[in-house]
Amino acid sequence: EAGVTQFPSHSVIEKGQTVTLRCDPISGHDNLYWYRRVMGKEIKFLLHFVKESKQDESGMPNNRFLAERTGGTYSTLKVQPAELEDSGVYFCASSPYLGQGPETEAFFGQGTRLTVV
Amino acid sequence: AQSVTQPDIHITVSEGASLELRCNYSYGATPYLFWYVQSPGQGLQLLLKYFSGDTLVQGIKGFEAEFKRSQSSFNLRKPSVHWSDAAEYFCAVGPHTGGGNKLTFGTGTQLKVEL
Repeated sequence: EAGVTQFPSHSVIEKGQTVTLRCDPISGHDNLYWYRRVMGKEIKFLLHFVKESKQDESGMPNNRFLAERTGGTYSTLKVQPAELEDSGVYFCASSPYLGQGPETEAFFGQGTRLTVV
Repeated sequence: AQSVTQPDIHITVSEGASLELRCNYSYGATPYLFWYVQSPGQGLQLLLKYFSGDTLVQGIKGFEAEFKRSQSSFNLRKPSVHWSDAAEYFCAVGPHTGGGNKLTFGTGTQLKVEL
């Protein structure tokens, strides 16, 4: 079974440009999460999809970030326009549990390293 | 607000030596607690988790962790470290109700293993 896959693995863009990150969750997983780690800091929650709906987007830093999950399958995270402080590693995770707790393990992708110069 | 503290940014141990990585959390109720590991070029992998019951939990790769409510700690241990254990380790806390896998992570501890 394929794991969580993220594209690209690395991206270097200039300040002001647009970047789109993609996450393919494990097939059949209704829950999809985005997290971000800025260098040297903790991994922070960005948002949570249940199927195609945004369950919780309280961690999204500002309106330059737009996440979508069309048809409840893969998800994209667009940053437009990118700023220097957006640099970091963006992780995606998915889990099959449609309930309220984290009893079911979330599986993480390898992350996309975004560098804004 | 919940938080996780991993006081050691870097730890170096010799292969075969024992290991303890510290984790302290702040949470208003009984938390779900996790340890994840990230090896170079890999995603985060779950080592072990604590939900309830026995406070000593066993995980994969020979790791264990002990939940101590009185100290708000969930330290990770391994009796004998292997060179392949060199990686970054993250402690995390999750909600009991609501929030799914919305986890709060610590800043990570980078483990170096000397041969």
